[in-house]
Amino acid sequence: DAGVIQSPRHEVTEMGQEVTLRCKPISGHNSLFWYRQTMMRGLELLIYFNNNVPIDDSGMPEDRFSAKMPNASFSTLKIQPSEPRDSAVYFCASSFDLNQPQHFGDGTRLSIL
Amino acid sequence: QQQVKQSPQSLIVQKGGISIINCAYENTAFDYFPWYQQFPGKGPALLIAIRPDVSEKKEGRFTISFNKSAKQFSLHIMDSQPGDSATYFCAATKSNDYKLSFGAGTTVTVRA
Repeated sequence: DAGVIQSPRHEVTEMGQEVTLRCKPISGHNSLFWYRQTMMRGLELLIYFNNNVPIDDSGMPEDRFSAKMPNASFSTLKIQPSEPRDSAVYFCASSFDLNQPQHFGDGTRLSIL
Repeated sequence: QQQVKQSPQSLIVQKGGISIINCAYENTAFDYFPWYQQFPGKGPALLIAIRPDVSEKKEGRFTISFNKSAKQFSLHIMDSQPGDSATYFCAATKSNDYKLSFGAGTTVTVRA
């Protein structure tokens, strides 16, 4: 069975550019989570959706960050404009329901120069 | 503010030995405590989880011990194998919140 699929796996771009990260959750999963992982702050929850609706975006660091889930099989996390301090590994996770175990993708390693 | 404190940051154990990772939390509303295993270049994978109504849970070589009064829980890896070399994260959440708070992680190295 396919797990959570994230793309791209690696992204290197210059400061000020728009960055779009993509996630395809496991089929049948109703909840989707976006995390950021850095050495300094560890794993942080940015936002999560249930049935394609954003439930809690209190972890989104700034207005430069936005996330959408237009349908049950696709979500995006966008950073515009990007800054060097946004460099991190971004993970998407999905679960059958909010109180079920979360399954993580392999992440997108983002480097902002 | 980190809600779950994890130690040690790293540990080295000989093959066949026991790896022990400790976590402590402050929020008494937390009622679900999972452990995740992460290999380089991969996302975290759920390893084992416990709820505070039991003091211990064992799955194969992995055991969680839970001390509700002390607000502490730990992961024991018995008979550690080189394939167990990874970073382990403890986490905690409230059932009606669904937001996982992760510890800082422990890098375990098992020497053959």
